[in-house]
Amino acid sequence: GQQLNQSPQSMFIQEGEDVSMNCTSSSIFNTWLWYKQDPGEGPVLLIALYKAGELTSNGRLTAQFGITRKDSFLNISASIPSDVGIYFCAGHTGANSKLTFGKGITLSVRP
Amino acid sequence: EAGVTQFPSHSVIEKGQTVTLRCDPISGHDNLYWYRRVMGKEIKFLLHFVKESKQDESGMPNNRFLAERTGGTYSTLKVQPAELEDSGVYFCASSQGRAALTDTQYFGPGTRLTVL
Repeated sequence: GQQLNQSPQSMFIQEGEDVSMNCTSSSIFNTWLWYKQDPGEGPVLLIALYKAGELTSNGRLTAQFGITRKDSFLNISASIPSDVGIYFCAGHTGANSKLTFGKGITLSVRP
Repeated sequence: EAGVTQFPSHSVIEKGQTVTLRCDPISGHDNLYWYRRVMGKEIKFLLHFVKESKQDESGMPNNRFLAERTGGTYSTLKVQPAELEDSGVYFCASSQGRAALTDTQYFGPGTRLTVL
């Protein structure tokens, strides 16, 4: 089946640093999404990307939809303690409504 | 506006017992989804309702799982009998029902199920 690959499983950064996360697939996805999950909460949509090559920002977050439609990245600039959480990439093929998720990256920010 | 709510937040049961999870979607959302995350793994799709109809149940693991959405409002997911491998966090999501590629899914906080 279709899979989205995220690694590493965990990332540790210092407050104020920038961090970049990648998500790759062997299959084409027509929508790429980045979600964040805080402890005890459900995933919350951060950024949605709908066109190959699209670069979108949301505050300190920037994400890009890869030209091949098989990858995406998320950048967080000037990290702060509340950026701690699990970051999931997800994709839509368009064939149906279900989302395919990656395994997530747990981000820790040291003050 | 209230978000997606799920009940209970946690459930601990013994193997062989039955558990029923409930999801209340955002008011007016026709689409309702169930997903599951086993610890350390990806969030996996289970099934999709459009109103009261099952649109896609390709992710349901086996016939021990039964999902219903009577009247097209809230949904229940019953596991009977529960097995150890059913442990995980069960998420519900809802969306308005626009074109699939741009229809944002809003997630509930999840129900953490532990089967002993």
